[in-house]
Amino acid sequence: AQSVAQPEDQVNVAEGNPLTVKCTYSVSGNPYLFWYVQYPNRGLQFLLKYITGDNLVKGSYGFEAEFNKSQTSFHLKKPSALVSDSALYFCAVRDGSSYKLIFGSGTRLLVRP
Amino acid sequence: DADVTQTPRNRITKTGKRIMLECSQTKGHDRMYWYRQDPGLGLQLIYYSFDVKDINKGEISDGYSVSRQAQAKFSLSLESAIPNQTALYFCATTDRVNQPQHFGDGTRLSIL
Repeated sequence: AQSVAQPEDQVNVAEGNPLTVKCTYSVSGNPYLFWYVQYPNRGLQFLLKYITGDNLVKGSYGFEAEFNKSQTSFHLKKPSALVSDSALYFCAVRDGSSYKLIFGSGTRLLVRP
Repeated sequence: DADVTQTPRNRITKTGKRIMLECSQTKGHDRMYWYRQDPGLGLQLIYYSFDVKDINKGEISDGYSVSRQAQAKFSLSLESAIPNQTALYFCATTDRVNQPQHFGDGTRLSIL
């Protein structure tokens, strides 16, 4: 069965420092991986995706994610955090044979000034 | 204007009432989804539809029903609301399964 784990409920970083939000997955076939961000009182917004190709994926707002097949991970990263990056981040996975997205439980990112 | 519009944005109602949440989209997508968000649980799929004649149950469909009135409209109903259905509800659309889903801003539903 597909599953996604986001092991950290919250990540705290100082503005200007690099940030990482962790995600590991389990699927039976080739994974399709997504990161979304949710701001207060808003729906989820797409950040980036991995379908195939380069393991380093670049997305919106300066975010990137690294696909690691051997570790079944897809960690979200940004070289220099902004206070405005503070939000709830969701990792999601779909395997090649399913039409459904499975979401992780979410990680709250808090960037302090 | 938003591409995916959900109404109402907030609703408070009583146990046993019938409630309908509506979703409309202007993106021209065939695929539409209803999710429920609870704190610490992420999003759980309630129902999904790949076109007007194709409706499928998700992980947590019990207590819910849906109607796909047109390509652009997908409604979620709670026939007899109960307090543990208090949650945030999101509608989403996509044109292909390996493309990102586009979400509405959600309906916050409270059942007393």
